[in-house]
Amino acid sequence: GENVEQHPSTLSVQEGDSAVIKCTYSDSASNYFPWYKQELGKRPQLIIDIRSNVGEKKDQRIAVTLNKTAKHFSLHITETQPEDSAVYFCAASDDYKLSFGAGTTVTVRA
Amino acid sequence: NAGVTQTPKFQVLKTGQSMTLQCAQDMNHNSMYWYRQDPGMGLRLIYYSASEGTTDKGEVPNGYNVSRLNKREFSLRLESAAPSQTSVYFCASSEDKMAFFGQGTRLTVV
Repeated sequence: GENVEQHPSTLSVQEGDSAVIKCTYSDSASNYFPWYKQELGKRPQLIIDIRSNVGEKKDQRIAVTLNKTAKHFSLHITETQPEDSAVYFCAASDDYKLSFGAGTTVTVRA
Repeated sequence: NAGVTQTPKFQVLKTGQSMTLQCAQDMNHNSMYWYRQDPGMGLRLIYYSASEGTTDKGEVPNGYNVSRLNKREFSLRLESAAPSQTSVYFCASSEDKMAFFGQGTRLTVV
């Protein structure tokens, strides 16, 4: 099955700086890569996704890049704000199933 | 439009007791899922249903059973609860791989 590794496990950034989270996957058949944000005690919420026919996708302050050859993808958050503090999960899917990374706890320091 | 609704939100069970977690979605999605979330381990797939009438095992199915009652509803049953099943359980539904989660059920087995 698919194995998704996510780094780092924790990330502390100064407000206004950028944050980068990286994930690798094992199954070359995977073709869908979403990112979820989970605030404390809440459900995971989809914030951005990318499919294998696209190399980069942006949505305001967040962007995701995909390198299918190297089997890795990354989440970039620019101009971080306190409300960006949360746990972020990457995932990969080749069919109906999403396989998740272990998560990155992002803390934005004021 | 409630999205994905899970019941109950909290539950405490004694070892050996049984219970069923309920999940319903109103987005007319074909696929539904049950995940468990444990600290530092991300979200692990227990069972999924790619479409009405089908169910398949995920990564951690032991100790669980599921029923896809109709297109809207997907239930998870613990026949004989064990302390190792203490976790937060999330139901999700998806269309074209984009998954949306319920608010979660926090289950404690003592």
